[in-house]
Amino acid sequence: EAQVTQNPRYLITVTGKKLTVTCSQNMNHEYMSWYRQDPGLGLRQIYYSMNVEVTDKGDVPEGYKVSRKEKRNFPLILESPSPNQTSLYFCASSPTGLAGARYNEQFFGPGTRLTVL
Amino acid sequence: QQPVQSPQAVILREGEDAVINCSSSKALYSVHWYRQKHGEAPVFLMILLKGGEQKGHEKISASFNEKKQQSSLYLTASQLSYSGTYFCGTLGNTGKLIFGQGTTLQVKP
Repeated sequence: EAQVTQNPRYLITVTGKKLTVTCSQNMNHEYMSWYRQDPGLGLRQIYYSMNVEVTDKGDVPEGYKVSRKEKRNFPLILESPSPNQTSLYFCASSPTGLAGARYNEQFFGPGTRLTVL
Repeated sequence: QQPVQSPQAVILREGEDAVINCSSSKALYSVHWYRQKHGEAPVFLMILLKGGEQKGHEKISASFNEKKQQSSLYLTASQLSYSGTYFCGTLGNTGKLIFGQGTTLQVKP
């Protein structure tokens, strides 16, 4: 089944404890992206990647890191989480690079609900 | 810059129509529409591109005014299943997809 998977789905952690949220897609998509969703603010893009080894900042990249060493995986790293990073996080992928991102739908993962105490 | 959606919330009876608007201050290559039900991931509805091309679900209609950088989503003869939060996303000349704050639609029997 074609899908985007995220792990973990739920995570409660404490301030400063490094964590990684994994994202994997099995559709051979080039474009991948991370969003956070907060009440009243909609979906805000954290980082995106057009292809392997190519990543760019979205609108809210502060406090986050990403890597794209292989096409299928796009982990989100919080080196020192803080309470203001408590949010619902979505990973998404789309078939091809820039032109594809403009033209193709994004497939979203199920979401990861993160709470930082 | 985040596109602006209006209205913020709509309550309808089954069978009624609704229009959701999305406005951007930047030049756009495409506008994307997604619907999200509570507790679920956003689901693709439609993409509108410069030049009039559209891609999406047959039962959903939308428009894209390139000059005004505005898009509207038309929901006709609404059903209970239409309830959810609708997001427009705009793509300029980079790979950033910027979503609006969302419009909550509630369809009542």
